[in-house]
This record gives sequence, C-alpha cells and structure tokens, in this order.
Amino acid sequence: GDSVTQMEGPVTLSEEAFLTINCTYTATGYPSLFWYVQYPGEGLQLLLKATKADDKGSNKGFEATYRKETTSFHLEKGSVQVSDSAVYFCALYNNAGNMLTFGGGTRLMVKP
Amino acid sequence: DADVTQTPRNRITKTGKRIMLECSQTKGHDRMYWYRQDPGLGLRLIYYSFDVKDINKGEISDGYSVSRQAQAKFSLSLESAIPNQTALYFCATSDSGPRGQPQHFGDGTRLSIL
Repeated sequence: GDSVTQMEGPVTLSEEAFLTINCTYTATGYPSLFWYVQYPGEGLQLLLKATKADDKGSNKGFEATYRKETTSFHLEKGSVQVSDSAVYFCALYNNAGNMLTFGGGTRLMVKP
Repeated sequence: DADVTQTPRNRITKTGKRIMLECSQTKGHDRMYWYRQDPGLGLRLIYYSFDVKDINKGEISDGYSVSRQAQAKFSLSLESAIPNQTALYFCATSDSGPRGQPQHFGDGTRLSIL
C-alpha cells in the first residue's frame, strides 16, 4: 500500500535559518503530494501541493518540488520565523485509493 | 478552519460508554472524512463519505461507526469506548474533483477514555 515517510523531529532552528524537512513516499501510479501544517490547538491547514512530476508547490515562503525519480517532496524555506513553529505533515493522494495517506509529522521549533 | 465545526472540543468519558462526535460544515463540500491523530503516527482515516448516501471504511474503522445525516453533517460514534481509542479526532471536508482536492479540517476533538 501507499506510505509516506518523514524525518523525525523535533527540528529546532534559530530564526532566519534555512529549513529542510525531508519527505519520501511509496505509491502506485501518479499521486498528488501535499504539505499540511498544524499550529497548536488547531486542525491541519493546507500549506502547498503538487499534482505531477517536477511541479513546484509554494506558499508563504515554503517550497517543495515533486521529484518522481527520487519519490520525494522535501519542504524548504530560506529563512524561518518564530511563527513557523508548528507540526508539518507530508501527505499523498492516490486516485486509486480515494484517500490521503499522511506521514508521521515533523515538529518544528524556531527560537528567537 | 471555522467553516468546519466539531463538537465537543474535549471529552472525558469511561470505558464502555457510547460516544458521539459531531461535525458540521458550511463549505458546501460533498466529501467528508473522520481521522484520528496519535503521536508519531500522523493522521489515520477512520471513515469517509462522498455524498449523503455513501459511507466507506477507512484504514482503522473497527470499533467506530458513522452517520451522514445531511450534506453538511457527519457524525462519528464509538459504540463502546475503550482506552486505546483515546486520541485527537479530526473531521475534514473536500470538494469533489480530480487529482486530490485539498482537505479542510476542523479544530479537532480531544477524547480521553478512562
């Protein structure tokens, strides 16, 4: 079946540092890929998505590129802020299964 | 997301009790989902519904049931709660369409079973 693997956290960075959160997946066919963010006490919010190979999703300074050759969708941001502290989830949607499959989440903590 | 409302936000109950979690949405979406979140495991799908007459089991449906009372309402029931069902539960909605439409989540229900 489909699966998503994320780097384990927590990831602790200083403000303005560069962020990478790794995500790799296993799926049949051509899934769509997503990053969701969860702030404390809230539900998940869509951060960005990509629907086909080599697509780049971007939002709020975050970027991720759909790499089919390496089955990866790593999340990056050039300069993190304290307000970016949250849990980040990588997910895939496979039309065959009609459901989202989530990774385990990575907690990011940004210190001033 | 205020467009997806879950009640209650928190619930503490005892083993063996019947529990109902409710979800309502004002987004006009056809599709609704119930997930549970456990630390380190991400979200796992319990049940989903693509319209009022459609109910489908997800990855971990045992011990749960659902009812889609209207397009805007989707409730989750635990018939006889057990401690390992202690978790954070999320309802989500999405529009229909190709290539995986984004899902919109409520703020969650924290359920503790003693």
